[in-house]
Amino acid sequence: GAVVSQHPSWVICKSGTSVKIECRSLDFQATTMFWYRQFPKQSLMLMATSNEGSKATYEQGVEKDKFLINHASLTLSTLTVTSAHPEDSSFYICSATQGAGANVLTFGAGSRLTVL
Amino acid sequence: KNEVEQSPQNLTAQEGEFITINCSYSVGISALHWLQQHPGGGIVSLFMLSSGKKKHGRLIATINIQEKHSSLHITASHPRDSAVYICAVMANDMRFGAGTRLTVKP
Repeated sequence: GAVVSQHPSWVICKSGTSVKIECRSLDFQATTMFWYRQFPKQSLMLMATSNEGSKATYEQGVEKDKFLINHASLTLSTLTVTSAHPEDSSFYICSATQGAGANVLTFGAGSRLTVL
Repeated sequence: KNEVEQSPQNLTAQEGEFITINCSYSVGISALHWLQQHPGGGIVSLFMLSSGKKKHGRLIATINIQEKHSSLHITASHPRDSAVYICAVMANDMRFGAGTRLTVKP
């Protein structure tokens, strides 16, 4: 079945540094990838939708300069949290789909970011 | 009011019980997903529905487009079914319910 690999699974960084999270589709071409954020004991919040080769579409309230998303190939999307601060600490999850629209969604295992 | 409402928020059941989780939404959608999130955070997409009913093993998902309502049923529940179940709808973008935390006791 379709597999999405997310890396790193957890990261601790100092305030002010930038952190990059990778999301790779291992056995299929992901035309669309989604990035989510999840706070403790809360549901997922969609941050942005990225289509290969084009700029990501960000949800309202998500700072595009803060959360840089690149989807340069059909198998890789990256989320970079720039100048991270403690309030950016969260669980970040990606998902990918290979068809038009979100038909089959495959999720990465998530990345837990802690900013000190 | 949240565009996607799930009920109940928490559910505790005994092993073997029949479980129903409900999802109501207020927007026009192209598809609805039922997701399962285990304590470690990993998420699995259980079903994608745009109409009717789907069955996979002990899991059944139904959707009524006219009533803007979907249900997820688990038959013969088992402790390994303990997880958070999330309803997600695709409209112009994706919206999530708050999740239902299911605990199945042996």
